[in-house]
Amino acid sequence: KAGVTQTPRYLIKTRGQQVTLSCSPISGHRSVSWYQQTPGQGLQFLFEYFSETQRNKGNFPGRFSGRQFSNSRSEMNVSTLELGDSALYLCASSVWTGGRNNEQFFGPGTRLTVL
Amino acid sequence: TQLLEQSPQFLSIQEGENLTVYCNSSSVFSSLQWYRQEPGEGPVLLVTVVTGGEVKKLKRLTFQFGDARKDSSLHITAAQPGDTGLYLCAGASPFGSNYQLIWGAGTKLIIKP
Repeated sequence: KAGVTQTPRYLIKTRGQQVTLSCSPISGHRSVSWYQQTPGQGLQFLFEYFSETQRNKGNFPGRFSGRQFSNSRSEMNVSTLELGDSALYLCASSVWTGGRNNEQFFGPGTRLTVL
Repeated sequence: TQLLEQSPQFLSIQEGENLTVYCNSSSVFSSLQWYRQEPGEGPVLLVTVVTGGEVKKLKRLTFQFGDARKDSSLHITAAQPGDTGLYLCAGASPFGSNYQLIWGAGTKLIIKP
């Protein structure tokens, strides 16, 4: 079974631009979560989607948005990029949502650099 | 705001040594997961502990959930270079009728040959 895939793997943008990142979950997984990872900050939760509905959202500005399609694939968008948005963006999928033993399967991430 | 604090933030030791990393909180969690992340990859689940006082072993790795379910530890015996990576803990906290994961900042572990 194929794992979680994220595209692109690397991206370089300049301040003020916008970017769209894509995530394809494991087949059969209906939940997709997005995280921002920076050195020393660990994983910062962005949002989670389950069956095309946003179930939970972290403390990020409105410039960060996402959506999920009927095939469970998800995209996240960052508008008006800032230098501080440079990070590794991780996508994780799971079968269900909200279970206390839910295992999340992560993709390799998209490394975004904002110049 | 619920927080999970991991310590140490960084650890570099020689192959063959033992080590323990910690994951602490003032909040109670319904379960706690440990993940390992290697460079260029996403985190991979190692174990989930659910019951207070629970101990799970995975080869040379021993995971323990505190009796009060507020803390956890990961002990590695005879560390090997293959254990190098970022170790993350994540606690499941009630969110509405379900749960959400609260993540620690991680412990970066380097095992030198």
